[in-house]
Amino acid sequence: NAGVTQTPKFRILKIGQSMTLQCTQDMNHNYMYWYRQDPGMGLKLIYYSVGAGITDKGEVPNGYNVSRSTTEDFPLRLELAAPSQTSVYFCASSYLSGNLYTFGSGTRLTVV
Amino acid sequence: RKEVEQDPGPFNVPEGATVAFNCTYSNSASQSFFWYRQDCRKEPKLLMSVYSSGNEDGRFTAQLNRASQYISLLIRDSKLSDSATYLCVAFGQNFVFGPGTRLSVLP
Repeated sequence: NAGVTQTPKFRILKIGQSMTLQCTQDMNHNYMYWYRQDPGMGLKLIYYSVGAGITDKGEVPNGYNVSRSTTEDFPLRLELAAPSQTSVYFCASSYLSGNLYTFGSGTRLTVV
Repeated sequence: RKEVEQDPGPFNVPEGATVAFNCTYSNSASQSFFWYRQDCRKEPKLLMSVYSSGNEDGRFTAQLNRASQYISLLIRDSKLSDSATYLCVAFGQNFVFGPGTRLSVLP
């Protein structure tokens, strides 16, 4: 039981490049979330999903896209990387809304 | 006004000290509250849930005051290993995280 697995752990992107941050959970959780965390700031919700095939925007969705084709996977796509997207990205999952989160270990992304 | 506010600190305290953090939330419809702990460059991990009646887990005590819309965390007999950032979380429609309070316990 690995919990929530995020890859890669670190990445440096050039402005305008694209990439996908991977997130996989093996706990059969319905709910999955993507957050970004900037220094001195709280975690900001980017997108979330309440089940396979269903996604919705969070507080800061601009510049990102997601998909949820399976219960296990919830990838986050950056299409045209910008310096403002330099951040630490956390994926999380929970069995029900309001249930306790399990976080992945994070992806540190730098856009230069 | 931010939905969940915390004093960012840092709180620098000696080992063995008692330290308290407060957190305020603006959404009166928030239903559940939590404290998470985040070590440097790591993911947040649940420390404890916060109940209206207050709850205690070893050296940690959490309190909720719905009338004043604040949550507190008390740490007694601080250990070096308590050094971390403590995130206050309110759940209404979604989880809303505060910016965190940094604690450094000094030898």
